[in-house]
Amino acid sequence: NAGVMQNPRHLVRRRGQEARLRCSPMKGHSHVYWYRQLPEEGLKFMVYLQKENIIDESGMPKERFSAEFPKEGPSILRIQQVVRGDSAAYFCASSPRGRRSGYTFGSGTRLTVV
Amino acid sequence: AQSVTQLDSQVPVFEEAPVELRCNYSSSVSVYLFWYVQYPNQGLQLLLKYLSGSTLVKGINGFEAEFNKSQTSFHLRKPSVHISDTAEYFCAVSDGSNDYKLSFGAGTTVTVRA
Repeated sequence: NAGVMQNPRHLVRRRGQEARLRCSPMKGHSHVYWYRQLPEEGLKFMVYLQKENIIDESGMPKERFSAEFPKEGPSILRIQQVVRGDSAAYFCASSPRGRRSGYTFGSGTRLTVV
Repeated sequence: AQSVTQLDSQVPVFEEAPVELRCNYSSSVSVYLFWYVQYPNQGLQLLLKYLSGSTLVKGINGFEAEFNKSQTSFHLRKPSVHISDTAEYFCAVSDGSNDYKLSFGAGTTVTVRA
C-alpha cells in the first residue's frame, strides 16, 4: 500500500511566483490535513479537508494561501505571490472516514523562496 | 488551543543507554496524545498514541510512553537505544472536541553515539 504521496519533494520559487503543492492521500482515505513546519519549529496545523469540502481552515494565513481537495485527483495547497517567509516544509496527512486522529503523514514538500 | 512543551531540545545519548524525552501539555478535559519521529529529510512517522484506557502505551521500535493526567505529561522512553534511533521526536496533542487538530511541541533531537 502506498503511503501519503507528496510532490514535489523540493520546490524553489522566486518571490512573487506561485507555488502548488500536491498531496495524494492513502488509498481509501477521504480526509486530508495540511501542516507547515518552519525552521526550528514544530508543525502547525493549516487546514482540514474532505472531498470537495473545507472543514477547518483556521490555521491558514488569511491571504495568498488556499487549499482544495477535489472529487478526483490530489489535494492542492496553493500559495500565490510567495515571499521569503513562506519557506518551510509543508506536510500533508490523511485518514479514513470515521477516524481523524493518529493519522499518517507524507514526506513533505520543502519550499524555498529565493 | 492546546500548547505543548518539550522540555529538552537536544538529547545526546550513548548506544544501549536508556532515554527519556519529556512532554507536558496544557490541561484539558480530555486529550489525545501522540509521539511522532522524523528522520532526516523524511516525513513524520507515528510512534505511539494515547486515546483512552491504560496509561502506559507501547509503540513501535521498543518505545513506550506514560500518560500522567495529574501532571499533564506524556513522557517517551526507551530502555536501550540504537544508532538508528537518531532522529527528531515530536510530541503532539489534540483535544476531544477537535480531535483532528494536532498541536505539536518544538521537537527533541536525539543523537545516539557509539
